Amino acid sequence: AQTVTQSQPEMSVQEAETVTLSCTYDTSENNYYLFWYKQPPSRQMILVIRQEAYKQQNATENRFSVNFQKAAKSFSLKISDSQLGDTAMYFCAFMRLNRDDKIIFGKGTRLHILP
Amino acid sequence: DSGVTQTPKHLITATGQRVTLRCSPRSGDLSVYWYQQSLDQGLQFLIQYYNGEERAKGNILERFSAQQFPDLHSELNLSSLELGDSALYFCASSPGDITSLIQYFGPGTRLLVL
Repeated sequence: AQTVTQSQPEMSVQEAETVTLSCTYDTSENNYYLFWYKQPPSRQMILVIRQEAYKQQNATENRFSVNFQKAAKSFSLKISDSQLGDTAMYFCAFMRLNRDDKIIFGKGTRLHILP
Repeated sequence: DSGVTQTPKHLITATGQRVTLRCSPRSGDLSVYWYQQSLDQGLQFLIQYYNGEERAKGNILERFSAQQFPDLHSELNLSSLELGDSALYFCASSPGDITSLIQYFGPGTRLLVL
């Protein structure tokens, strides 16, 4: 079974700083996706970034980037120049490239961006 | 806006009752997924439908059932409700083919069982 672990339940950083959220996962699969989802106070689930396991290059989306270490089964999210609107719950997630393509979520990291 | 709609947004009911949550997927998406977000269990996959047929089951209780209709909308039925069923229920949709597996989430239905 696949598991996703987020070891930081809560974090706070000052606006404009850089913050890194950690995630590790466990799987015996070779082909899969990894995601970071953001859940702001509105509770909407918003896809922030995704990484295909077969790609060595780390994904980036504007101020968001990941550090994907496949051998270590690590998938951290870096937010640069953090903004107040980044305040949210962040979920690391895993999905097999298979027929039953459900998403497995970590417990989340609550991120506070302080003014 | 993800293009996935869910109704109702909020639902308050009593223990022992039955409710139906509705989801309309994005235009063209064939797969619908249901997830439950509760304080103690986090975000958990419940069930998936693809083009009207059940494709995968997760941690879905026997008191819960779902279906996907010919117009591709889906309904999640929760019966004999218990206090512990209070949660945010998300629907997500995707095209369902191997080239596009990204799931887009609806705004959720917040269920409170009193």
